[in-house]
Amino acid sequence: DAGITQSPRYKITETGRQVTLMCHQTWSHSYMFWYRQDLGHGLRLIYYSAAADITDKGEVPDGYVVSRSKTENFPLTLESATRSQTSVYFCASSEPTAPQYFGPGTRLTVL
Amino acid sequence: GESVGLHLPTLSVQEGDNSIINCAYSNSASDYFIWYKQESGKGPQFIIDIRSNMDKRQGQRVTVLLNKTVKHLSLQIAATQPGDSAVYFCAENSGGSNYKLTFGKGTLLTVNP
Repeated sequence: DAGITQSPRYKITETGRQVTLMCHQTWSHSYMFWYRQDLGHGLRLIYYSAAADITDKGEVPDGYVVSRSKTENFPLTLESATRSQTSVYFCASSEPTAPQYFGPGTRLTVL
Repeated sequence: GESVGLHLPTLSVQEGDNSIINCAYSNSASDYFIWYKQESGKGPQFIIDIRSNMDKRQGQRVTVLLNKTVKHLSLQIAATQPGDSAVYFCAENSGGSNYKLTFGKGTLLTVNP
């Protein structure tokens, strides 16, 4: 089915471990985004990408790494997870000057 | 409007009534605005958007009004249904960026049958 998917949907990990969250979109949108959503903060941009091999920092990039080797995939890696990275993570995609469409989210718990 | 801490503004309406959800945006240079709906446990869902060269835009059962003078955005939902119960939040392309959005914290709409 066309759309944007995220995996895993739920993840529990331990402090210090590396975790990768996957995002895949079938629309061939040029832009892709990673957000985290926490109570009291709303959606905050972590990283975004304007095209394959082009990425840039958002509002809260520390502790995260992204890559975009293919237009349709935009994985987010937590290199050494911390408890403060417990959150719900949303991936989104869009064309320029168009609305962003969001995936279903990944609920990450860092123990 | 914006919320502080853990408490979202809430709006409770009866099924069949019209709902109006408000949003104050921050950047006078923003020229693109979007309303999203987020149900519990799901990702934000696009509802309707509007550009700053318009004051009003209508969709299916929804209308967005933009008042640039006071930097205010509203979402009107006609004949509200129980399935409309969700958190609604607005987003602006703050600073006129074509792709980076700033999101409000949302309003919780509860529809009573």
